[in-house]
Amino acid sequence: QKEVEQDPGPLSVPEGAIVSLNCTYSNSAFQYFMWYRQYSRKGPELLMYTYSSGNKEDGRFTAQVDKSSKYISLFIRDSQPSDSATYLCAMSKSGANNLFFGTGTRLTVIP
Amino acid sequence: NAGVMQNPRHLVRRRGQEARLRCSPMKGHSHVYWYRQLPEEGLKFMVYLQKENIIDESGMPKERFSAEFPKEGPSILRIQQVVRGDSAAYFCASSPSWEGEFFGPGTRLTVL
Repeated sequence: QKEVEQDPGPLSVPEGAIVSLNCTYSNSAFQYFMWYRQYSRKGPELLMYTYSSGNKEDGRFTAQVDKSSKYISLFIRDSQPSDSATYLCAMSKSGANNLFFGTGTRLTVIP
Repeated sequence: NAGVMQNPRHLVRRRGQEARLRCSPMKGHSHVYWYRQLPEEGLKFMVYLQKENIIDESGMPKERFSAEFPKEGPSILRIQQVVRGDSAAYFCASSPSWEGEFFGPGTRLTVL
């Protein structure tokens, strides 16, 4: 069993839709949670960084962490065609610096 | 402020040759990480370095792979005697401390 599970998609939504992306994990040692966006043949770009359970909002993006369920989410409001990319969840353990990544969800926003 | 820089962006090697991948972290960042991304797979951690020190190399293959981050100059990921299975995108990331890692554009290695 992988330590981080993420539905690879692909996911297609119409412009303006609310997008929900999710990851589950099995190791309760994970304490830090991140979402990255990766455009084709580019490096991952850090979108959100959270530590505790709860919500964190940044513009059209909201990250949600539920440590009791070992479940994290990224919501994108008013999705735009420019949001079309692969979204990667990542997490790390307290006292460690290496990230564990999900396989990524490929999102397409249709104009 | 320039981001993480990696070169070359594309590298082609024949089996048995050596590959050297370079990474310059963001200004002010003293932590460097290397990850490998195989087609249709997620990023896999390889090694974490600070200046002149390897902190965690638990993701590095035991043979042929090495990494360094000298006092002066970029971090280097070195792959000796490359094989076709080494073909992948190699990403470097840097961070100032513990606020998330910032990735470079990657080096795409193709082994013929």
